[in-house]
Amino acid sequence: GAVVSQHPSRVICKSGTSVKIECRSLDFQATTMFWYRQFPKQSLMLMATSNEGSKATYEQGVEKDKFLINHASLTLSTLTVTSAHPEDSSFYICSASSTSRQFFGPGTRLTVL
Amino acid sequence: AQSVAQPEDQVNVAEGNPLTVKCTYSVSGNPYLFWYVQYPNRGLQFLLKYITGDNLVKGSYGFEAEFNKSQTTFHLNKPSALVSDSALYFCAVTTNQAGTALIFGKGTTLSVSS
Repeated sequence: GAVVSQHPSRVICKSGTSVKIECRSLDFQATTMFWYRQFPKQSLMLMATSNEGSKATYEQGVEKDKFLINHASLTLSTLTVTSAHPEDSSFYICSASSTSRQFFGPGTRLTVL
Repeated sequence: AQSVAQPEDQVNVAEGNPLTVKCTYSVSGNPYLFWYVQYPNRGLQFLLKYITGDNLVKGSYGFEAEFNKSQTTFHLNKPSALVSDSALYFCAVTTNQAGTALIFGKGTTLSVSS
């Protein structure tokens, strides 16, 4: 099956700093990528839908100025958590859409101290 | 609005016994249903999907699921559980094959004892 990678897999940062997470589709072109957030022992919640070459569509309650999404190419989408705070600590998972399947990245564990 | 319910937070079974993880969905239109498994601190692994056709879907690692339109269920089954099946299982739904985000259930933790 198709492969989606995320980098970094784990990041620890100080409160107030910004963190960038990359999501890459390694062997297919993804016009649409999704960003999900998963808090401990909870389900995945969609944050935003990222379409190549256009602005991302954010779900209700997700601050677009805090979670900056860029989808500059068909194989790369980035999520930047700006001015991170401890409550942003979470597991961030991206997925890339191809025909009838979504392929998920391995996730990025963000811990904000 | 689309929604998925997994009524059980945890399912406990003994190794070798059959297992069922329940999922109930609600959509307007035709559903596309998925099961994913997640191991600790890992991403999601695809198990199986129902798009159309045969209501009984077979997937990875010996899992299968049955689409029941009248009861709006998509329960995950396995005839004989393994300890290695212990993980967090998510049911998800969408109404479009491509380019649409999935709506996930809250997840069910499966614990298989030896």
